[in-house]
Amino acid sequence: QKEVEQDPGPLSVPEGAIVSLNCTYSNSAFQYFMWYRQYSRKGPELLMYTYSSGNKEDGRFTAQVDKSSKYISLFIRDSQPSDSATYLCAMSPLIQTGANNLFFGTGTRLTVIP
Amino acid sequence: EAQVTQNPRYLITVTGKKLTVTCSQNMNHEYMSWYRQDPGLGLRQIYYSMNVEVTDKGDVPEGYKVSRKEKRNFPLILESPSPNQTSLYFCASRPFYSNQPQHFGDGTRLSIL
Repeated sequence: QKEVEQDPGPLSVPEGAIVSLNCTYSNSAFQYFMWYRQYSRKGPELLMYTYSSGNKEDGRFTAQVDKSSKYISLFIRDSQPSDSATYLCAMSPLIQTGANNLFFGTGTRLTVIP
Repeated sequence: EAQVTQNPRYLITVTGKKLTVTCSQNMNHEYMSWYRQDPGLGLRQIYYSMNVEVTDKGDVPEGYKVSRKEKRNFPLILESPSPNQTSLYFCASRPFYSNQPQHFGDGTRLSIL
């Protein structure tokens, strides 16, 4: 079983739709949860970064963490064609002491249709 | 501007011909790492470095070498590339004693024929 599971999609939505992207994980030690956005021919860029459980909102983006269910979500409101990208979830334990302690999902490819 | 710079961005080469992909960061980060990204497998760590002259293997180190002689640079070396190393490679960095996320470069697409 992978540490982090993410539906690869692809996901196509009309402009203006609410998008829900999700990841599940198995390691209860994970405390930091991230969402990266990756455009074609570019590196992943950090979109949202949360610690432990709860919600975090940044403009049209909301990140949710449910540690009891080991489930994280990214919601995009009023989606735009410029949101078309691959979205990667990532997570790590409390203390990054080095090593391979950042675990990625495989990414969900999103297309927002004008 | 804070950035991680990789070169080259694209390379097509042949089996067995040694190559080096350079990575440089301007944020004075202690921690640097290399990943490869393959369809369906996501990002997998190849090597990482916690500081100058300190490197260690990640999940998929076979066939790769790294060095960290300066804090800003972390080159990835393929001594004898093989077709199964055809992939998209990313370098990343972050402060070591921090839970700040990693900053990624824009990637190097390698094709080994």
